[in-house]
Amino acid sequence: EVQLVQSGAEVRKPGEPLKISCKASGYSFTSYRIGWVRQMPGKSLEWMAIIYPGDSETTYGPSFQGQVTISADKSISTAYLQWSSLKASDTAMYYCARPISGSVDYWGQGTLVTVSS
Amino acid sequence: DIQMTQSPSTLSASVGDRVTITCRASQRISSWLAWYQQKPGKAPKLLIYKASSLESGVPSRFSGSGSGTEFTLTISSLQPDDFATYYCQQYDTYYNFGQGTKLEIK
Repeated sequence: EVQLVQSGAEVRKPGEPLKISCKASGYSFTSYRIGWVRQMPGKSLEWMAIIYPGDSETTYGPSFQGQVTISADKSISTAYLQWSSLKASDTAMYYCARPISGSVDYWGQGTLVTVSS
Repeated sequence: DIQMTQSPSTLSASVGDRVTITCRASQRISSWLAWYQQKPGKAPKLLIYKASSLESGVPSRFSGSGSGTEFTLTISSLQPDDFATYYCQQYDTYYNFGQGTKLEIK
């Protein structure tokens, strides 16, 4: 059974760093892309970044280039999303997602990130 | 950047109704379009991929059509479980979602 299990909710202050994770199981981690989708409160979904763990090739959405870093550790089948300096506007739910030929057949349960002073 | 525009933003309907949601792409995307259902506090769920292919396990009352720039999601007979928010997503060039359509009980 394919599962994407994300790390728990986080509360941080503006300017602090953060790294959230998504552990994959039930499939060959290096054979599929995996990415992160942001959903701000009451808003739509936005693709942030995608990585192909097989060769670490990454693609960032135009609004997210330079704002976040996506990475993956093949040895533990885990993808990460990190910020070097959070802003209040980063407050959102973040989902990891596995696109297969583009459509997402598996999603993580979501990680709520709250940034507040 | 391909923009996806859904209409309507909100739709009020009753159990048993047939409803249609439209998604327009700012440029041609062939059939590289998916539809998702999202309920409050939950991750989205894939309903339709490649514009008209029904994801395994999804009830047959859901159907998708279209190609190029205009696409539709149709629910043939609304059930109580169908009241949710629906999103389209293009995957021709990178990935972009529409702004969503909230389906409410009339």
